[in-house]
Amino acid sequence: GAVVSQHPSRVICKSGTSVKIECRSLDFQATTMFWYRQFPKKSLMLMATSNEGSKATYEQGVEKDKFLINHASLTLSTLTVTSAHPEDSSFYICSARRAESYNEQFFGPGTRLTVL
Amino acid sequence: AQSVTQLDSHVSVSEGTPVLLRCNYSSSYSPSLFWYVQHPNKGLQLLLKYTSAATLVKGINGFEAEFKKSETSFHLTKPSAHMSDAAEYFCVVSDVGSNYQLIWGAGTKLIIKP
Repeated sequence: GAVVSQHPSRVICKSGTSVKIECRSLDFQATTMFWYRQFPKKSLMLMATSNEGSKATYEQGVEKDKFLINHASLTLSTLTVTSAHPEDSSFYICSARRAESYNEQFFGPGTRLTVL
Repeated sequence: AQSVTQLDSHVSVSEGTPVLLRCNYSSSYSPSLFWYVQHPNKGLQLLLKYTSAATLVKGINGFEAEFKKSETSFHLTKPSAHMSDAAEYFCVVSDVGSNYQLIWGAGTKLIIKP
């Protein structure tokens, strides 16, 4: 139980285009989902927290107009990188939390984004 | 404020010898503590977690960790390293003070020598 999927696993896009990454909780309802970014050989950096049906809360320094987050249902959150640039290339990881398990997050496998 | 310090950025051991990855934390509340492993170009996998039950926690793949409140430590150990253990390991703390956000250590790269 508690499986989280991400799609796509890898994406390559041209500079200036937008890319959407999906995060799904497959066998549970996720009241809260998180989006992280991981730079090479670094730890995870929390980008934003999203609760189903409400606006995401972004961490300091993360551009909300650049990284659009939608959490439209209890099993799906999306991250859209708008007008992507090479510096947005990174490993993006989502996680999901159940209402009854407030101190544990279940992680997706990550999405490798490369912007040319 | 909560924080996590992984004392070694790299640990190198020979196959078959014990593994010790050190982690110290700070928390003003009753923390939950986790160890995650990340193999190259792979997702995160939960190794084990402490959530106020037994202080010695057993995880997958033969790993275990002991919560020591007096030392504010949560070191990860394994009696005998295997080549497949080569990966990046992250110590993580969570508590009510951070609204249960995960606070990540910088990671320790475990290198296994044949």
